[in-house]
Amino acid sequence: EAGVTQFPSHSVIEKGQTVTLRCDPISGHDNLYWYRRVMGKEIKFLLHFVKESKQDESGMPNNRFLAERTGGTYSTLKVQPAELEDSGVYFCASSQFGNTEAFFGQGTRLTVV
Amino acid sequence: AQSVTQPDIHITVSEGASLELRCNYSYGATPYLFWYVQSPGQGLQLLLKYFSGDTLVQGIKGFEAEFKRSQSSFNLRKPSVHWSDAAEYFCAVGARTNGQNFVFGPGTRLSVLP
Repeated sequence: EAGVTQFPSHSVIEKGQTVTLRCDPISGHDNLYWYRRVMGKEIKFLLHFVKESKQDESGMPNNRFLAERTGGTYSTLKVQPAELEDSGVYFCASSQFGNTEAFFGQGTRLTVV
Repeated sequence: AQSVTQPDIHITVSEGASLELRCNYSYGATPYLFWYVQSPGQGLQLLLKYFSGDTLVQGIKGFEAEFKRSQSSFNLRKPSVHWSDAAEYFCAVGARTNGQNFVFGPGTRLSVLP
């Protein structure tokens, strides 16, 4: 069974540009989460989808970040326009509904220059 | 507010030595507790988890952790470290509801000397 897949694995963009990160959860997992780790800091929760609905987006830093999960399958996280402080590693995770074990992807390392 | 502390930013041990990584949490109720490991270039891998029952939890790769409610701790241990254990270790707490909006600790980086 495939795990959680994220791509790209690494993205380097200029300040002011737009970047879209993608996450493919494990098939059948209703819960999908985005986290990020800014350099030298903790891994922070961004948001949680249950199927296609946003269950909790309290961790989204500002309105430059937009997450979608059309059809309740894969999810995208768009940053527009990117700022220097957005650099970090963005993790996606998924879990079955009601299940407490989340499986993480390898992360996307975003570098904004 | 929920929080997780990992007092040690970086630990260095010799191969074959024992290991204990500390984790303390602040949470309003009994949380779910997790330890994840991130090896270089890899994603986060679950080592072990505590939900209820026996407070000593066994995980993969020979790791174990003990939940101590009175100390709000969930320390990770391994009796004999291998060079492949060099990685970053994260303690996390999660709510006892659907969804795992984890609160992570800052991580402890483990270096292993030959």
